[in-house]
Amino acid sequence: DGGITQSPKYLFRKEGQNVTLSCEQNLNHDAMYWYRQDPGQGLRLIYYSQIVNDFQKGDIAEGYSVSREKKESFPLTVTSAQKNPTAFYLCASRGVRGLGYTFGSGTRLTVV
Amino acid sequence: QKEVEQNSGPLSVPEGAIASLNCTYSDRGSQSFFWYRQYSGKSPELIMSIYSNGDKEDGRFTAQLNKASQYVSLLIRDSQPSDSATYLCAVKSTGTASKLTFGTGTRLQVTL
Repeated sequence: DGGITQSPKYLFRKEGQNVTLSCEQNLNHDAMYWYRQDPGQGLRLIYYSQIVNDFQKGDIAEGYSVSREKKESFPLTVTSAQKNPTAFYLCASRGVRGLGYTFGSGTRLTVV
Repeated sequence: QKEVEQNSGPLSVPEGAIASLNCTYSDRGSQSFFWYRQYSGKSPELIMSIYSNGDKEDGRFTAQLNKASQYVSLLIRDSQPSDSATYLCAVKSTGTASKLTFGTGTRLQVTL
C-alpha cells in the first residue's frame, strides 16, 4: 500500500542533543512538508521541498534542518538550537496539483 | 490577523443532528480549500476539498465556499459519536507554491 511512514512514533531527546525524524513516502509525490503541532496552535510549517535537492524554509525553521537527497525521503533534524522542541511532528506529501496533503502518522518528540 | 481562523470550540451537538463548522481566511486570492479530521493523538485525514463557490457534497459531508465573503464551512449531517474529533480548515493561498495554511481547528463533540 502506498503511504507515508514516519519513524519513530515516540522520541525522547536530552538537552543539547540533535535528533533526526524520518519521513519516507512511496506515493511518487514530488512535494514534501514538515509541520509541527502544539496544543491550541494548529499546524505550523517548518520546511518544505518541491523537488529533490531543493527545500525552502517555512514559518518556524529556526533550530531545524532538512535534506532531500531522494524523492522518497525527507528527514528532519531537530538541533540543540531549538529551545522548545517538545511537540507532535507531522510529515506530509502532495502529488497531483490542487489536491490536499497526505500525512504520515506523526512523531511525538519529548525533551527529557 | 490570523490567515485562517476557526472557532476552537468545543462544538457540542447531539447524535443525529447537523454539525456546522466554519472557517474564514484572509487572502482573497486563495484558490483551494480543504477540511481535515484529526482524532486525538492521530494525524490529520483529508475529508473534503472544494475549489469553486457553492456546495460540494460527499456522503454525510457538505463543504460550502463563498469566496466573496472569504468563508468556507463544513456541514456534517446525521452526526455520529465517531465524528467527535478536531476539524482543521486548510487554505492554499496565492503565491505560496503548494503550501497550505491551517487553522487551529474546531473540536467537535457528538453526544449520545
